[in-house]
Amino acid sequence: DADVTQTPRNRITKTGKRIMLECSQTKGHDRMYWYRQDPGLGLRLIYYSFDVKDINKGEISDGYSVSRQAQAKFSLSLESAIPNQTALYFCATTSSMGLSTGELFFGEGSRLTVL
Amino acid sequence: AQKITQTQPGMFVQEKEAVTLDCTYDTSDQSYGLFWYKQPSSGEMIFLIYQGSYDEQNATEGRYSLNFQKARKSANLVISASQLGDSAMYFCAMREGPNNDMRFGAGTRLTVKP
Repeated sequence: DADVTQTPRNRITKTGKRIMLECSQTKGHDRMYWYRQDPGLGLRLIYYSFDVKDINKGEISDGYSVSRQAQAKFSLSLESAIPNQTALYFCATTSSMGLSTGELFFGEGSRLTVL
Repeated sequence: AQKITQTQPGMFVQEKEAVTLDCTYDTSDQSYGLFWYKQPSSGEMIFLIYQGSYDEQNATEGRYSLNFQKARKSANLVISASQLGDSAMYFCAMREGPNNDMRFGAGTRLTVKP
């Protein structure tokens, strides 16, 4: 089983619908992140969380919200999806120990299409 | 301002040859980390190599090496003896600042020709 699991892996939805992407990890990491990937733009940070009570906005948080339900779970919500939120979404984790040396561990990605 | 710049949207290399993927970064911090990730067509993000800002030697991991030129703020990835399986997107990334969140470049798509 993957250390970082994202559900759903693929989702097609319509404009205006509420969507939740879920992420769970078994690595015991305290820090969790949500990124979106668009062609030609690389990965951009949406939200990140240092622990259950610490949530921070990233570069592109407008139109998104998050919830850190437990240390191992971090979900991303689109309250009212729009077509330009069509993208590949990644959850990632890392440990706060040795911050600048620690790589991010990524989930397999959730491909979201908003029609 | 863009923190990580990858100027090569696409690169081609002949199998068994070496290839260099460019990455420049912008930071005023003294302590930071530089990373390269590979994304094959299947979509997963695979960590390749790490270089710390205080590391004096260039990082190496098997066929991957990082050509770190601190004064020029560049962190180029060198892949030696390219294989067909190296065909993928490659992302350069940096962690810096008090929050140490990781920022990515736009990526370079590498195609290895047989």
